[in-house]
Amino acid sequence: EDQVTQSPEALRLQEGESSSLNCSYTVSGLRGLFWYRQDPGKGPEFLFTLYSAGEEKEKERLKATLTKKESFLHITAPKPEDSATYLCAVQADGGATNKLIFGTGTLLAVQP
Amino acid sequence: NAGVMQNPRHLVRRRGQEARLRCSPMKGHSHVYWYRQLPEEGLKFMVYLQKENIIDESGMPKERFSAEFPKEGPSILRIQQVVRGDSAAYFCASSLRTGGSSYNEQFFGPGTRLTVL
Repeated sequence: EDQVTQSPEALRLQEGESSSLNCSYTVSGLRGLFWYRQDPGKGPEFLFTLYSAGEEKEKERLKATLTKKESFLHITAPKPEDSATYLCAVQADGGATNKLIFGTGTLLAVQP
Repeated sequence: NAGVMQNPRHLVRRRGQEARLRCSPMKGHSHVYWYRQLPEEGLKFMVYLQKENIIDESGMPKERFSAEFPKEGPSILRIQQVVRGDSAAYFCASSLRTGGSSYNEQFFGPGTRLTVL
C-alpha cells in the first residue's frame, strides 16, 4: 500500500536555526513528490514538485531534495513567518488516477 | 489570475440535512480533485473529475456522497443526510494537466469547513 510518513510531527526552532524535515514514502512507482505549506484555517499552498532521485529545488529559504525512499525539506535560517504545517504528498505512477497521498505533516514553529 | 475558489467557506448543517460544496478551478484547468481533512488527520483523497466525467472515486464513501463537474459551472460535492462524522474541512484542487510534468501540479482552494450539529 502506498504510504507517506513525515517526521518530526512538530519542530520548534529559534529564528536563524537551520533544520530539515523528513518525508519517507512507499509507493509502487513514483510519478512525483510534492511539498505544500499550510497555514491555520487555509488551504495547502504549493511549494515544490520533485520527479526523480537526485533532484533538488530551492525557493528562498527552502530547499527540497529527493532520494528513492525519502525527501527532505531543508530550512535555512528560518524566520517566524516560516511557521506553518509542511505537508508532503506522493503521486503514484500508472493508471488514470492523479490522487495525492499525503503525510500528516510537520508543524513548524519558529520563535523570534 | 484567480486561484481555486470554493464556497461557502463555512457551512453549518443539522444531522440529516444536505450539504452542497462548490469549487471553481483555476482558469484553464480542467482537472478537479476533492480532499477531506478530518480534525487531527491528514488530507485524504476523495474523488478526481474532469469535465462531465468521474475518473477516480476510490476515496469517496459509497453512500451519501456524490460529486459532479458539469460542462458549465463549478464542481459540486454533495453530501446527503449528513452525520456528525462528516464534520471536516473539504478542499478542492485543480491541475492543468496530468502526468509527470510541471503541469501536473495541484493547486488548492481555501476549503469549506463543514460543521454538523
